Amino acid sequence: AQSVAQPEDQVNVAEGNPLTVKCTYSVSGNPYLFWYVQYPNRGLQFLLKYITGDNLVKGSYGFEAEFNKSQTSFHLKKPSALVSDSALYFCAVGAPNSGYALNFGKGTSLLVTP
Amino acid sequence: DGGITQSPKYLFRKEGQNVTLSCEQNLNHDAMYWYRQDPGQGLRLIYYSQIVNDFQKGDIAEGYSVSREKKESFPLTVTSAQKNPTAFYLCASSIATDRGETQYFGPGTRLLVL
Repeated sequence: AQSVAQPEDQVNVAEGNPLTVKCTYSVSGNPYLFWYVQYPNRGLQFLLKYITGDNLVKGSYGFEAEFNKSQTSFHLKKPSALVSDSALYFCAVGAPNSGYALNFGKGTSLLVTP
Repeated sequence: DGGITQSPKYLFRKEGQNVTLSCEQNLNHDAMYWYRQDPGQGLRLIYYSQIVNDFQKGDIAEGYSVSREKKESFPLTVTSAQKNPTAFYLCASSIATDRGETQYFGPGTRLLVL
């Protein structure tokens, strides 16, 4: 079975400061890891993913994430937060032997204050 | 949200009524998915389809039905057997269901019970 945990329901950060949204996973074998963002009453937008290769993945809107196999983590980061980054962020995990399945975390609400 | 459309944006269901949510994609993707989103619970998979005329149950398929008669379309019917249908429903598609392919989401349909 595979699962993902987002330990923080909400993250607050001041505009211009770095932000981190945490994600840890549990999976048999090598994971596929994704980050999505959701704005109110909208669908999910793909930000970035890790399949294999370089542990540091760069994605849309200046976001990046680091795959850490020893800590089973895939934290989302951005060097300088914008007010417009305020949204709900979802981490998801899949695995080569799980076929279709992507398991999503419960989401972390990011609030960036001016 | 580009390439995947969902309609209607809002849908109201009366007791004992079946309702159908539409999902269409023009991305030429083989795989399509239906998720249910409830506050604080992340996304849960209802049904998925890897290819035309084939579909599989997800984690919470009870009270729902789907069809996949065309590659572009994957409608979801919420039947009267679904006792708690109020939620935000998200449709997604991907090139395939494995190899870490990215799922792209539609804008969602919010279902409310009268």
